[in-house]
Amino acid sequence: AQSVTQPDIHITVSEGASLELRCNYSYGATPYLFWYVQSPGQGLQLLLKYFSGDTLVQGIKGFEAEFKRSQSSFNLRKPSVHWSDAAEYFCAVGAGDDKIIFGKGTRLHILP
Amino acid sequence: DTAVSQTPKYLVTQMGNDKSIKCEQNLGHDTMYWYKQDSKKFLKIMFSYNNKELIINETVPNRFSPKSPDKAHLNLHINSLELGDSAVYFCASSERGSGQETQYFGPGTRLLVL
Repeated sequence: AQSVTQPDIHITVSEGASLELRCNYSYGATPYLFWYVQSPGQGLQLLLKYFSGDTLVQGIKGFEAEFKRSQSSFNLRKPSVHWSDAAEYFCAVGAGDDKIIFGKGTRLHILP
Repeated sequence: DTAVSQTPKYLVTQMGNDKSIKCEQNLGHDTMYWYKQDSKKFLKIMFSYNNKELIINETVPNRFSPKSPDKAHLNLHINSLELGDSAVYFCASSERGSGQETQYFGPGTRLLVL
């Protein structure tokens, strides 16, 4: 069965610093991978997704993620964070059935 | 013109009561979902419906009963509410319902059972 691990529950970075949020997945075939963001009191919004092709995926709000099959990882990156990026970030994996499995989330804190 | 909407946004009620949460999507999608997000932010799927037909039914107490009057609506009725039902419930939709699609989420319904 597919699963998703986000090893960091909380991450704190200074405004303007670079960011990397880690995500590891478990799935036997080629996974469909997603990153969603949840701002405080809001629903989830898709940042980016990977299905096939170029392993470096560009998303909204200046985010990108790189699929590395050898490491079963799909880490999210941003070169320079803004205070408005403070939120909860969820990595998710979808399979051939109807479900998307979400990781437990990483809470991003931004220092001024 | 909200894509996925839920009502109510907040729901505070006593143990033992019965309550409903409504969800509507205007995206023309075939599939709708209910997720529960607990206090630790863990997001877990409860149900999904495709064209009014139940597709996914995870291990959820039978006090929870989804109802889909048409493919644009998926309501969640909860009987005999318990303290552990306190959570944020998210509705979502996707075009066809495969695990390969983007899901569009509503703003959530914050349920507090006293």
